[in-house]
Amino acid sequence: DAKTTQPNSMESNEEEPVHLPCNHSTISGTDYIHWYRQLPSQGPEYVIHGLTSNVNNRMASLAIAEDRKSSTLILHRATLRDAAVYYCIQNNNAGNMLTFGGGTRLMVKP
Amino acid sequence: EAGVAQSPRYKIIEKRQSVAFWCNPISGHATLYWYQQILGQGPKLLIQFQNNGVVDDSQLPKDRFSAERLKGVDSTLKIQPAKLEDSAVYLCASSLVRGMDWETQYFGPGTRLLVL
Repeated sequence: DAKTTQPNSMESNEEEPVHLPCNHSTISGTDYIHWYRQLPSQGPEYVIHGLTSNVNNRMASLAIAEDRKSSTLILHRATLRDAAVYYCIQNNNAGNMLTFGGGTRLMVKP
Repeated sequence: EAGVAQSPRYKIIEKRQSVAFWCNPISGHATLYWYQQILGQGPKLLIQFQNNGVVDDSQLPKDRFSAERLKGVDSTLKIQPAKLEDSAVYLCASSLVRGMDWETQYFGPGTRLLVL
């Protein structure tokens, strides 16, 4: 199984940027990097995905290292609603089967 | 558009009893997934359907778990008989087309099962 490594937890202050790191040292050239998040008592929700280039959407930005062995999810201004578990997933098969790790629990302080 | 629907939201049963969960995916989504999420862990894929056919069920404990997706739309996941270690949240997800490894999966709210 493809494995990613994330810190267990991180803290942030409200309205400040948050950088969530992820290591995926076994990534191959065709593997996508997906980020999902799971708010309390809800199912996971898609945040962003990328292959090689940095990506931006309305929720976040994804910065991918040049060697692709790590990436960083950037929340530009954290809100209390962003408190969740963030999962970084390396998708290394064509069946779109996501292998979730333990994720990073983000706590946002007012 | 309506999201993935699941029912019931909560279920409490005693060990050795049977239980069934229902999922209605987003309209038009060909691929349906069932995940098991034990407290404190990330979701683990149990089974993946493409239309009404099984794509992957390698992590489904087939001695007690079964799933079907009749007519390629709704799906049910059954546990018979339940064990204490089956206590978890059961998540259903759907995506538009299989085979695209960048494709977004949409998750339902889950069914929280407690086995006593």
